Amino acid sequence: DGGITQSPKYLFRKEGQNVTLSCEQNLNHDAMYWYRQDPGQGLRLIYYSQIVNDFQKGDIAEGYSVSREKKESFPLTVTSAQKNPTAFYLCASRETQGSGNTIYFGEGSWLTVV
Amino acid sequence: AQSVTQLDSQVPVFEEAPVELRCNYSSSVSVYLFWYVQYPNQGLQLLLKYLSGSTLVESINGFEAEFNKSQTSFHLRKPSVHISDTAEYFCAVTPIYNQGGKLIFGQGTELSVKP
Repeated sequence: DGGITQSPKYLFRKEGQNVTLSCEQNLNHDAMYWYRQDPGQGLRLIYYSQIVNDFQKGDIAEGYSVSREKKESFPLTVTSAQKNPTAFYLCASRETQGSGNTIYFGEGSWLTVV
Repeated sequence: AQSVTQLDSQVPVFEEAPVELRCNYSSSVSVYLFWYVQYPNQGLQLLLKYLSGSTLVESINGFEAEFNKSQTSFHLRKPSVHISDTAEYFCAVTPIYNQGGKLIFGQGTELSVKP
């Protein structure tokens, strides 16, 4: 089945650790995105990438890093510099052909700092 | 810049009652509009979208939304809700002319359908 796969679903991080969330898509989409979701705040854009080997900061990029070495993959690293990392993280990719400009989401990853 | 305001954070309704979830947006450029639904602990699923053409768009499960350009609104409606419609609903916009295809979201409306 085509889709966006995020892993792990649940992740616990100790203070001072970096952790990496995986996002893989087999939809052949060029653009990929990472959003953070906190209760009552909707979704906020962390980073996005429109093409391989290129990415841009979103609204809340501080404390996060990404890479885009392959079209299918857009991993997000939550660094120790992120002061409040506990949240639900959503990866997405964008369809630009056909009906156009529609963004599809993965199932999300919960990150908890312990 | 764009912004989206969902006017109700929570909407409780009884089963089989009609519901309207309100969404207003602000943008200096033309936008595409979307409604997404999120069930607990899951990602967002596209419910419906307005790209062009008829201002009334429908989803396969009975929801509809109407784009009103003069009022900059894109309210979501359903004439008769089911228990299974209980979820969080997000309104979102993206500029038509590519600014990275970023979605700007409202803060969400929690729809709670009671028997």
